[in-house]
Amino acid sequence: DGGITQSPKYLFRKEGQNVTLSCEQNLNHDAMYWYRQDPGQGLRLIYYSQIVNDFQKGDIAEGYSVSREKKESFPLTVTSAQKNPTAFYLCASQLGMNTEAFFGQGTRLTVV
Amino acid sequence: GENVEQHPSTLSVQEGDSAVIKCTYSDSASNYFPWYKQELGKGPQLIIDIRSNVGEKKDQRIAVTLNKTAKHFSLHITETQPEDSAVYFCAAGWGGGADGLTFGKGTHLIIQP
Repeated sequence: DGGITQSPKYLFRKEGQNVTLSCEQNLNHDAMYWYRQDPGQGLRLIYYSQIVNDFQKGDIAEGYSVSREKKESFPLTVTSAQKNPTAFYLCASQLGMNTEAFFGQGTRLTVV
Repeated sequence: GENVEQHPSTLSVQEGDSAVIKCTYSDSASNYFPWYKQELGKGPQLIIDIRSNVGEKKDQRIAVTLNKTAKHFSLHITETQPEDSAVYFCAAGWGGGADGLTFGKGTHLIIQP
């Protein structure tokens, strides 16, 4: 089955720690995205990548980093510089810019 | 850049009644308008989409209308059922938008039994 997989589903982070969220897709999509979702805020774009080894900052990139070493994978690292990291994180991919976005099931990150 | 406004933020309807969610967009270059349904704790899933060369599209109980002149589009759900309860997002996109779709802030639809 083709799809987009995020892991883990739940993640707990201590203050001052970096954590990495995984996103893998087997849809052969070039474009991949990371969104942050908070109650009442909709989907806010963190980073996006249109091609391997290239990525751009979205609207709320501060405190986050990404890599795109393989077409299938677009991991997101939440660094200790992100002051309010508790949120639901969604990864998505698209075949092209004006096509359906496929979402993963999300990772809920909580700072403890 | 594109800005998408979505209303209402919460909508409560009686089971069997219709529900309408409205969105406006700012960039006249946008030509792709999908709607997503998100159930609690899950990722959004596409339920219907429309491109700017058509004014209306239907799929069973769901329909979307687009008014390009006024830059607004709407989701219509008829004969609502309990399983329609979810958060719905509208979005807008265009071929040159490298940063992908721009999403509205979502509507929490509640179906009252």
